[in-house]
Amino acid sequence: SQQGEEDPQALSIQEGENATMNCSYKTSINNLQWYRQNSGRGLVHLILIRSNEREKHSGRLRVTLDTSKKSSSLLITASRAADTASYFCATDAYDYKLSFGAGTTVTVRA
Amino acid sequence: SAVISQKPSRDICQRGTSLTIQCQVDSQVTMMFWYRQQPGQSLTLIATANQGSEATYESGFVIDKFPISRPNLTFSTLTVSNMSPEDSSIYLCSVVAASEETQYFGPGTRLLVL
Repeated sequence: SQQGEEDPQALSIQEGENATMNCSYKTSINNLQWYRQNSGRGLVHLILIRSNEREKHSGRLRVTLDTSKKSSSLLITASRAADTASYFCATDAYDYKLSFGAGTTVTVRA
Repeated sequence: SAVISQKPSRDICQRGTSLTIQCQVDSQVTMMFWYRQQPGQSLTLIATANQGSEATYESGFVIDKFPISRPNLTFSTLTVSNMSPEDSSIYLCSVVAASEETQYFGPGTRLLVL
């Protein structure tokens, strides 16, 4: 079942701007993973952050995790047209079964 | 990271028929899962594919409707049985390798039931 909520549902930004999306969840987790999906295709894994980590970077991506608030954020810096996609957070509650958030649709305008 | 392929990539089927989707991984993996993504929605876990034994289904999903096989550590199939238009979705398999936590997804099978 879905335990995550994401906001905003949709985000439209200009190329070069930063995009921030948030994810909240309800139960204790082992890790939280962020994925990108282009036009209803397969999911591309972006980054995994463990419950004992607070921040992680990968290229233009920055993920934070606040377990006390049960929330995470994904920041994409210097956005490009190719970043246009849907972004999902997914939580693993120690059993590898992922619970997905509703997703944020990001549109990057040229 | 694991390389995952799915067959078919898409299909259009008539109601009442069944479709079997294949998932092949290029390396031995510990865990394999099947997810469904209904139109405009997020992903929902259908079941865990267990190697050599019956799959473990999530609430709302039953073996008669979604039989799953996993004969070895690199291959699994999901059958969507007695299909109705409500089964129109993207079906995705995912894997977790041994001593890893990252879950990788296949490219998905887009199913349309008429």
